[in-house]
Amino acid sequence: GAGVSQSPRYKVAKRGQDVALRCDPISGHVSLFWYQQALGQGPEFLTYFQNEAQLDKSGLPSDRFFAERPEGSVSTLKIQRTQQEDSAVYLCASSQGGVAGSSTDTQYFGPGTRLTVL
Amino acid sequence: GNSVTQMEGPVTLSEEAFLTINCTYTATGYPSLFWYVQYPGEGLQLLLKATKADDKGSNKGFEATYRKETTSFHLEKGSVQVSDSAVYFCALRRRSQAGTALIFGKGTTLSVSS
Repeated sequence: GAGVSQSPRYKVAKRGQDVALRCDPISGHVSLFWYQQALGQGPEFLTYFQNEAQLDKSGLPSDRFFAERPEGSVSTLKIQRTQQEDSAVYLCASSQGGVAGSSTDTQYFGPGTRLTVL
Repeated sequence: GNSVTQMEGPVTLSEEAFLTINCTYTATGYPSLFWYVQYPGEGLQLLLKATKADDKGSNKGFEATYRKETTSFHLEKGSVQVSDSAVYFCALRRRSQAGTALIFGKGTTLSVSS
């Protein structure tokens, strides 16, 4: 079966441009997460969806970051007016979810999108 | 707050050497603990996990035991291979909520030479 896929794999943007990053989760997975991984660091949480509902966006660093999952499957992370500090790898992860407290709720990660802002 | 601290790398070993990567955590409640691995050019993969105190997670010859008394989850392998060269991340998740995000350490780079 297909895993989590992300596109594009690499994106170069000029400062001030808007970018859109796509995530295709594993089919049927209820939960979807976005993380940001700066060079040499561990991933840091950005936002979480349960189906189409964005239940937690506490990790989004500014109002330039916006995420959506309108039909409860594919998700898009949009960054407006990109800045150099936005350069990072953006990771998407999905899990079966739906059952609070389940110890089997493993998050499966996509390969990431490496964003470079010049 | 919740946090994970893991030993800084890089860790450089010869093939067949013993590996330990230390990981300690700070958390409220009883988190689940994880080790993820990132091979060169690939995405994060779950290596092993443990969901309660004294549980031992194991996979591919790697082991880690959930030690509540020392708030640790050290990763060990008895005999490393060149193919184990990767970045290893320790992480926690609060067990009470399936949707709660993972909190990662900074990662430890392992380099194994033949």
